Order: sequence, then C-alpha cells, then structure tokens
Amino acid sequence: DIQMTQSPSSLSASVGDRVTITCRASQTISSYLNWYQQKPGKAPKLLIYAASNLQSGVPSRFSGSGSGTDFTLTISSLQPEDFATYYCQQSYSTPYTFGQGTKVEIK
Amino acid sequence: QVQLQESGPGLVKPSETLSLTCTVSGDSISAYYWSWIRQPPGKGLEWIGYIYYTGSTTYNPSLKSRVTISLDTSKNQFSLKLNSVTPADTAVYSCARYYYDSTGYYYFDPWGQGTLVTVSS
Repeated sequence: DIQMTQSPSSLSASVGDRVTITCRASQTISSYLNWYQQKPGKAPKLLIYAASNLQSGVPSRFSGSGSGTDFTLTISSLQPEDFATYYCQQSYSTPYTFGQGTKVEIK
Repeated sequence: QVQLQESGPGLVKPSETLSLTCTVSGDSISAYYWSWIRQPPGKGLEWIGYIYYTGSTTYNPSLKSRVTISLDTSKNQFSLKLNSVTPADTAVYSCARYYYDSTGYYYFDPWGQGTLVTVSS
C-alpha cells in the first residue's frame, strides 16, 4: 500500500494567515493526488484534484502543487470558514489511501 | 446536482453482518465507480472498495475477505455488506462517487453525509 503522510497533524492560525499543509507519498504517484476538506459532522468535500486543479466552486485562495512524492496545499488568506480538517488522498493505485489529516484551528 | 444518501442500521452485534445502502439521485448509477469509505471515531479515512457500473468490484485487501459491494440499477442504489464484524468496525460509513474526468484523473466526489454504525452487543 502507498502510505500518505501529512504534516503538520494540526496547526493554529489566524484569519488572514497563509497556511501550508504538506503531504508525502511513500512512492511516486505522479500527480494522482487529491485534497479534501472536512468539517465536524460533515462529509469530506473535494478541494483540489490531480495535485493542482481547483474543483469547481472552490474559492481561489486554495491552491495545490507538487508531483511525484511531495505535495502542498496552500490557503493564501485563511477565512473563518476554512477552520476544518484537511486530508490528502492518492488515486494512483488501489488500495486508495488517505493522509492522517491536518486539523486547522483558530489561534 | 448529484446527491448520495446512506441508510441502514446504526447498531450491529459482533459477528453479524453490517448492511448499508446508498441511494443516488441526480445522476444515473449506470456510469462511473461507486465507493464506500469509512472513518472510525477520531481516526482517519479508510477506503473499503468500489463497484463499477458494469458490476466489476475492487476491494481493499485489508477487508476483502469480509466485504461485498453490489449494484441495484433499477433503484439507482448500491450496497455494502461487511460480515463477521467486531467493535473495530465501528465507524462512520460514507458512500461516494469515484469520478473520472477526460484527462484520466480520479477523485471522490460527491460524498454522502455518512452514517455511524456501532458494533456492540
């Protein structure tokens, strides 16, 4: 199985901050990397697919980059509604696997 | 707008079979892959498996011996059965469409809201 490791596991930030979350795959996955946002009690929501493609309807303050084994999700200016847990997921090969999550909390 | 909704018992006894159904609206189930994913309380996400609209299935090897996913195209539904459950199978179970676009990239979108299934006597 491909292991996905996110860092940090949690972070505290203020509204307006630039936030960066990283995701590392245990082997190369090209650009087969997706990012999801999950709020408490809600289903995950797709933010970024294929490493850098913004899903329709997702604010442009979200962006993704990377390829191979190292990937980044960036929120350019954190908004109150962005406090949530973020997961990366590889779609390169089965079994599809997720990172352990990064919880973004209010500072 | 595609929507998915899980249904089924919220409590299952150990050694019995967990059965859930996902009802799809806004799109025909006769396309794409349809998947189940679970999340134990306070833990991360685990892909269980998926079924293609043709009926072909792929399961996570960690659960393969206990899992069956099936389609009911007449009802636009797909289902999950997990047998011989233990308390370790307690989780929020979510269904999701595994979408693929013209460039060959795949992702889970959308998801159902999820349903908590507790395994306990």
